[in-house]
Amino acid sequence: AQTVTQSQPEMSVQEAETVTLSCTYDTSESDYYLFWYKQPPSRQMILVIRQEAYKQQNATENRFSVNFQKAAKSFSLKISDSQLGDAAMYFCAYRSDHNDMRFGAGTRLTVKP
Amino acid sequence: DTGVSQNPRHKITKRGQNVTFRCDPISEHNRLYWYRQTLGQGPEFLTYFQNEAQLEKSRLLSDRFSAERPKGSFSTLEIQRTEQGDSAMYLCASSPWYYTDTQYFGPGTRLTVL
Repeated sequence: AQTVTQSQPEMSVQEAETVTLSCTYDTSESDYYLFWYKQPPSRQMILVIRQEAYKQQNATENRFSVNFQKAAKSFSLKISDSQLGDAAMYFCAYRSDHNDMRFGAGTRLTVKP
Repeated sequence: DTGVSQNPRHKITKRGQNVTFRCDPISEHNRLYWYRQTLGQGPEFLTYFQNEAQLEKSRLLSDRFSAERPKGSFSTLEIQRTEQGDSAMYLCASSPWYYTDTQYFGPGTRLTVL
């Protein structure tokens, strides 16, 4: 079964610094999609970044970038120049054409001023 | 696009009562998904629709749960004979036919069963 593991329940970063959130997954599929979603307190889940497994190039979206290691089944999120508004729960998610979306348990990110 | 909307945002009910939630997806998104999220966990897939057809249901979706999307637009999720274990956030998401791998989430309905 496809599983997604986020080994860091909580992370903290100083404003303007860089932080990396870890995610690993288990799959036997070769084609799939990976996502990072952000869920601010009491607010809805927002897509941060997505990565297609067939693409070797790591996805980037402004201050957010991923380090996708397909062989290691690792998909970490790097947030550069952290801002107070980045504080939220971050969920790593996996989806393939044969499976529904699977989410990790989340990492709570705190940004210190 | 006005985004995915869900109503009500909060629902408190007594054990044994029936509840119904509504989800309005982004206009012309043909796929609609329901998830359940308990405190401190990531969302868990319940079911999804492509247009009006319910294509997949999770084992989590017991026979007390039923979902419909009668005209391929909005969807309802009904829970009959609620139990305290049903207390959770129920999330709806939608995706367009041209980008089915990416889902856009609504704000959720928080259910509390007393």
